Amino acid sequence: DSGVTQTPKHLITATGQRVTLRCSPRSGDLSVYWYQQSLDQGLQFLIQYYNGEERAKGNILERFSAQQFPDLHSELNLSSLELGDSALYFCASSETSGGGETQYFGPGTRLLVL
Amino acid sequence: GQNIDQPTEMTATEGAIVQINCTYQTSGFNGLFWYQQHAGEAPTFLSYNVLDGLEEKGRFSSFLSRSKGYSYLLLKELQMKDSASYLCAVRDNGRKLIFGQGTELSVKP
Repeated sequence: DSGVTQTPKHLITATGQRVTLRCSPRSGDLSVYWYQQSLDQGLQFLIQYYNGEERAKGNILERFSAQQFPDLHSELNLSSLELGDSALYFCASSETSGGGETQYFGPGTRLLVL
Repeated sequence: GQNIDQPTEMTATEGAIVQINCTYQTSGFNGLFWYQQHAGEAPTFLSYNVLDGLEEKGRFSSFLSRSKGYSYLLLKELQMKDSASYLCAVRDNGRKLIFGQGTELSVKP
């Protein structure tokens, strides 16, 4: 158990819908990262927050948005969902904003868009 | 463009040593990471290199040559539980993490 929690574990929804994925980092960690993993694209970095501020941006679509709240939990919002958004979404946390500190991954949220 | 290359799959024997290579071309360089991912599980951080040379952590070592855009992960005394996907990732100047497609390692008895 990494100490990072993600909810929900599974999510099934329809095209065009909007969903929110939630992540609680390990106690004391200030950075949260979001990743998407699909069979054809592999693991893709989406976005990083550090202490409430956006720190780095990866291949995040405009239909997706994220934020980190004052209690350091983070939410990833996915809207106007398409079939291709079906994937495993991981959240990871680390103590600081990088460097080479260890990132601890949550168990992931499996999203299926029908 | 940005590109990370690593072999798609490798096979090795229990107790042996295996080297997984990674070459990269990115917009700047701010560190290279190796992760291990077992099927159906979340990735696990293995190592980080930002300076040239070898970093050793138990049975795992990672090497970096920035001038060559090259890294390798060395796994010694292979165990069956080392069968997994190994992901190489580079952080570019914009702090974006770029991942390779992963190397599927099969350890045979």
